[in-house]
Amino acid sequence: DSGVTQTPKHLITATGQRVTLRCSPRSGDLSVYWYQQSLDQGLQFLIQYYNGEERAKGNILERFSAQQFPDLHSELNLSSLELGDSALYFCASSDPLAGDHNEQFFGPGTRLTVL
Amino acid sequence: KNQVEQSPQSLIILEGKNCTLQCNYTVSPFSNLRWYKQDTGRGPVSLTIMTFSENTKSNGRYTATLDADTKQSSLHITASQLSDSASYICVVRDRFNDYKLSFGAGTTVTVRA
Repeated sequence: DSGVTQTPKHLITATGQRVTLRCSPRSGDLSVYWYQQSLDQGLQFLIQYYNGEERAKGNILERFSAQQFPDLHSELNLSSLELGDSALYFCASSDPLAGDHNEQFFGPGTRLTVL
Repeated sequence: KNQVEQSPQSLIILEGKNCTLQCNYTVSPFSNLRWYKQDTGRGPVSLTIMTFSENTKSNGRYTATLDADTKQSSLHITASQLSDSASYICVVRDRFNDYKLSFGAGTTVTVRA
């Protein structure tokens, strides 16, 4: 158990809909990262937040947005869903003050299926 | 072009045998290189981490090596077990951008009895 929790575990929805994925980081971790992993694909970095502020953006679509709240939990919002958005979405957290060995701890993921 | 390339894409080995996975990267300068193990449908878990000054690091039956001059790393699995069936991901961290991680596409290892 990494200490990172994600809800829901599974989500099935239809094209055009909007969903929200939730992530609670490990206690004390200020950074939260979101990744997308499509079937048989590698992890694609979407976005990072640090202590409530957006820190870095990766290959995140304009239909997707995220935020990190004062209690450090984060939400990833996916709208106007398309079939191609079906994937595993992982959240990871890290403690930037851990120095050079800044390990990211991954949650169990949310499996999104768009029908 | 991806800054981290892994090979092979997949491999199948018999239980008890050894195997070696390769990771070539172009990230430079880099801060550290980490190997993750990802079981199917689960989040990745860190196996080893090496800084640019380290050549080898072991974690049980997993041994990672690093050649910073040629920008190559390998992960050696000794006496494989069925539980080693997973995807192994090489991740390189940029030294100057603490949030910049480059992920390899992973090598899928299947261990058969």
